[in-house]
Amino acid sequence: EVQLVQSGAEVKKPGESLKISCKGSGYSFTNYWIGWVRQMPGKGLEWMGIIYPGDSDTRYRPSFQGQVTISADKSLNTAYLQWSSLKASDTAMYYCARLLWFGEFHFDCWGQGTLVTVSS
Amino acid sequence: QSALTQPPSASGSPGQSVTISCTGTSSDVGGYNYVSWYQQHPGKAPKLMIYDVSQRPSGVPDRFSGSKSGNTASLTVSGLQAEDEADYYCSSYAGSNNLGVFGGGTKLTVL
Repeated sequence: EVQLVQSGAEVKKPGESLKISCKGSGYSFTNYWIGWVRQMPGKGLEWMGIIYPGDSDTRYRPSFQGQVTISADKSLNTAYLQWSSLKASDTAMYYCARLLWFGEFHFDCWGQGTLVTVSS
Repeated sequence: QSALTQPPSASGSPGQSVTISCTGTSSDVGGYNYVSWYQQHPGKAPKLMIYDVSQRPSGVPDRFSGSKSGNTASLTVSGLQAEDEADYYCSSYAGSNNLGVFGGGTKLTVL
């Protein structure tokens, strides 16, 4: 069974750094793109960016370029989303999802989400 | 690149059909046959319901169907059931620079 399991909820202060994780299992982790999606409180879904763990090819939606860093450790079957200096506006639920691309383009399997709260 | 446009709400009685629209541009919905639809119940992760405009993943009831005409895609839910009440989001490929884009979401209420 394909599964993505995300790290637990985080409460941070503005200016702090954070790295959340997404561990894949049940498939060849290096052969599929992993994407990150933001959902701010009471709002819709937003594409953030994707990574191909096989070669760490990383792409960002323009609005998230420079705001976050996406990385992966293929030896651990884990993708990461990190911030160097959090802002209150980063408060949101963050989902990772497996992206099927080339000949198709959609997220077929989602993690359970990681709630990030940034508050002083 | 703006979000795709969806109606904020839609509703129907059990057994009825409802259609949710998703309007983009020739740079996303109209330019590729890569429209997908996701269902999200409160407090849950999204779930893929339709991909590549009209394809249904294994396990999704055939009451759910998708289509596209020009820059507008549609999701139709036939034979509405109580468990269909959820938020629905469309998404489209938007080119190699913009990757993907979601719609603003539609809250479907089963009356």
